Amino acid sequence: GAVVSQHPSRVICKSGTSVKIECRSLDFQATTMFWYRQFPKQSLMLMATSNEGSKATYEQGVEKDKFLINHASLTLSTLTVTSAHPEDSSFYICSARTYSTDTQYFGPGTRLTVL
Amino acid sequence: SQQGEEDPQALSIQEGENATMNCSYKTSINNLQWYRQNSGRGLVHLILIRSNEREKHSGRLRVTLDTSKKSSSLLITASRAADTASYFCAMDYYFGTGTSLTVIP
Repeated sequence: GAVVSQHPSRVICKSGTSVKIECRSLDFQATTMFWYRQFPKQSLMLMATSNEGSKATYEQGVEKDKFLINHASLTLSTLTVTSAHPEDSSFYICSARTYSTDTQYFGPGTRLTVL
Repeated sequence: SQQGEEDPQALSIQEGENATMNCSYKTSINNLQWYRQNSGRGLVHLILIRSNEREKHSGRLRVTLDTSKKSSSLLITASRAADTASYFCAMDYYFGTGTSLTVIP
């Protein structure tokens, strides 16, 4: 149980385009979802936290207009990277938790390459 | 923002030896978790220790937590080549800097 999927697993896009990444909890209801970014050989940086049905809370330094997060249901959150630039190229990982546990369940990640 | 720093940054040991990684953090926490990440892949949850616990075991893993020193350690006993990975501590939802472990067969 407690499986989180991400789609797509890999995406390559041109500079200036927008990219949407989906995060789904497959067998549980995720009251809270998290989005992280990871650069090569670095740790995970928390970008934002979202609760179902409410606006995401962004970490300091993360542009909310650039990284749009929608948590429309208890099983789906999306991250849209708007007007992507090469410096947005990174590994994006989502995680989810339910109200009854402190454990986060992580998705397999999405590798974004912006040309 | 990241709360924690891990030490060492990189660790290379022979198969069968024990590996110890340390994590220090700055603010009070509710719980601390350890994760493993194989190169370029997702995270695997290893163990969660709550702020009122001092030690937890899971198989070959032993985690300690000292809230007075704001530090935690992860011990992997009898290491195997398959343990080669990056290991991260996470304070609530913020990750430490990570330790890259290489186990040489």
